[in-house]
Amino acid sequence: DGGITQSPKYLFRKEGQNVTLSCEQNLNHDAMYWYRQDPGQGLRLIYYSQIVNDFQKGDIAEGYSVSREKKESFPLTVTSAQKNPTAFYLCASSTDRQLMGYTFGSGTRLTVV
Amino acid sequence: AQKITQTQPGMFVQEKEAVTLDCTYDTSDPSYGLFWYKQPSSGEMIFLIYQGSYDQQNATEGRYSLNFQKARKSANLVISASQLGDSAMYFCAMREDNQGGKLIFGQGTELSVKP
Repeated sequence: DGGITQSPKYLFRKEGQNVTLSCEQNLNHDAMYWYRQDPGQGLRLIYYSQIVNDFQKGDIAEGYSVSREKKESFPLTVTSAQKNPTAFYLCASSTDRQLMGYTFGSGTRLTVV
Repeated sequence: AQKITQTQPGMFVQEKEAVTLDCTYDTSDPSYGLFWYKQPSSGEMIFLIYQGSYDQQNATEGRYSLNFQKARKSANLVISASQLGDSAMYFCAMREDNQGGKLIFGQGTELSVKP
């Protein structure tokens, strides 16, 4: 079945470490997105990519980096520059068919220990 | 300025009754789409319903309908015959078609269905 896979489901990071969250899709979608969700809050856009080898900053890109070397994959690295990384991270993908909206992964919960 | 505003942090509804979740939006783009998502405690985002800015009729999907009032820039979600499984966070979102296809979310409304 087609879908988006995020891994790991839970991730613990020590202060000062970089960590990478995986996002893989087999939907043949061109666009992929990373969102951050804090408790009781809406989703805020970190980065997005509309085509391979190209990506744009979202509203809260500081302290994060991404790559888009393959259409299927859009990994997010949370760097040590991100001062408050504890959050729920959601990856999504979409086509240009407007009615489809986005397909979301099941999320990664990152905790700084 | 907030692009998507959900003014109800929490709502309660009795099982089998209807409930309306409010959403207002702000855009100058003539072409846009409005979405509602449900997020249960597991964290997954479940797509419920979509309304395009040029759609003449209000969208409906089963028990969900979207009350689209373009002049007032509102896109309220109506859930009919509430069920216990409807208890979740609900997010309104907008995509402006001249802004790269990204979705902008509201803060969400937590709906609790009482038996």
